[in-house]
Amino acid sequence: DAGITQSPRHKVTETGTPVTLRCHQTENHRYMYWYRQDPGHGLRLIHYSYGVKDTDKGEVSDGYSVSRSKTEDFLLTLESATSSQTSVYFCAIRDPGLGQPQHFGDGTRLSIL
Amino acid sequence: AQSVTQPDIHITVSEGASLELRCNYSYGATPYLFWYVQSPGQGLQLLLKYFSGDTLVQGIKGFEAEFKRSQSSFNLRKPSVHWSDAAEYFCAALLDNYGQNFVFGPGTRLSVLP
Repeated sequence: DAGITQSPRHKVTETGTPVTLRCHQTENHRYMYWYRQDPGHGLRLIHYSYGVKDTDKGEVSDGYSVSRSKTEDFLLTLESATSSQTSVYFCAIRDPGLGQPQHFGDGTRLSIL
Repeated sequence: AQSVTQPDIHITVSEGASLELRCNYSYGATPYLFWYVQSPGQGLQLLLKYFSGDTLVQGIKGFEAEFKRSQSSFNLRKPSVHWSDAAEYFCAALLDNYGQNFVFGPGTRLSVLP
């Protein structure tokens, strides 16, 4: 399995609080991604990174920010969490080689009350 | 629009029966294609991928998939299903090599009857 660690694995917090999720990889892959998975919506891309300090928005980026100061770490921040951001969040990594797949972490289950 | 569709939301099969999960893509060129499996509480695990060449690709856990350009399809098959195969299955397409155009289908949930 790809060396991807997401932390925390579970978190419960209150509306309005800041939340940061961490994705750590040991594969030295260039691309990293944050998705959310919700019933009826499948996987939706929040943000992705194509290198250190190089990030871009996905289809559901409102209310989220990301940072990547090191190759191995990709942080997702909810500046002021809302109940609509209750979800399961997945990190993925990908080698930039031709046709390479994404590899996923085990997810973070986030509940915002 | 570029998309990946999985027509079946939920499929139920008996243990030992054969399985086929359908996937269609909508894209001008042939994308790179993948099948993933997700067990409850887990992330997505790569089953197999189609890159080019042979249209029948073998994957892990006894799965295979066949690419048919004429039908824009990449269906997943297994000759004999095991109870442990119960999970959600996602088809995905990589539409370019830069990584951001990685499109997932909505998933098919597989239930296995004893």
